[in-house]
Amino acid sequence: RKEVEQDPGPFNVPEGATVAFNCTYSNSASQSFFWYRQDCRKEPKLLMSVYSSGNEDGRFTAQLNRASQYISLLIRDSKLSDSATYLCVVNGDSGYALNFGKGTSLLVTP
Amino acid sequence: NAGVTQTPKFQVLKTGQSMTLQCAQDMNHEYMSWYRQDPGMGLRLIHYSVGAGITDQGEVPNGYNVSRSTTEDFPLRLLSAAPSQTSVYFCASSAHQETQYFGPGTRLLVL
Repeated sequence: RKEVEQDPGPFNVPEGATVAFNCTYSNSASQSFFWYRQDCRKEPKLLMSVYSSGNEDGRFTAQLNRASQYISLLIRDSKLSDSATYLCVVNGDSGYALNFGKGTSLLVTP
Repeated sequence: NAGVTQTPKFQVLKTGQSMTLQCAQDMNHEYMSWYRQDPGMGLRLIHYSVGAGITDQGEVPNGYNVSRSTTEDFPLRLLSAAPSQTSVYFCASSAHQETQYFGPGTRLLVL
């Protein structure tokens, strides 16, 4: 079983829509959780860390459910510039190595 | 502050050739790693290092060597390139349990 699993999509949504991505992870000992964004042919960049109490950054809200080993990302009021691949990332046992999901592709259309 | 830099950006090799992909960071991060990214496969860890003089294998280490003689540099060596090593290679660095910062990537084509 893959360490981190995501629905690959693609998710095609109109501008202004709300879209949610989900992710599950297998290592119950994981302590750090992130969402990264990757634009086509570019390097992944941190979108936001995910904290146990949930956190928000503008239009983006991340939630963590440790009991279900489940992470979510909600994007409100989607913009064309949100079109990208969103990677769910969970740290491994060492605290250094990260396990990446394969990513969920989002296309926001006019 | 340059962050993580990688050279070259693009490279074409013939089967059997060797080369070194360079990676450097100026953030004094302990942890550095190499990933390859292939369509439909996501990012896969090749090798990583938790400090100068310490390296270990990741998920897909075969055909690659690494060394970490300084905190700043973490080169990846392809000993005898194969077409299966055609990929995009990303180097990343981080402090312990902190965000990983990625370099811009090296696109490698092996003919």
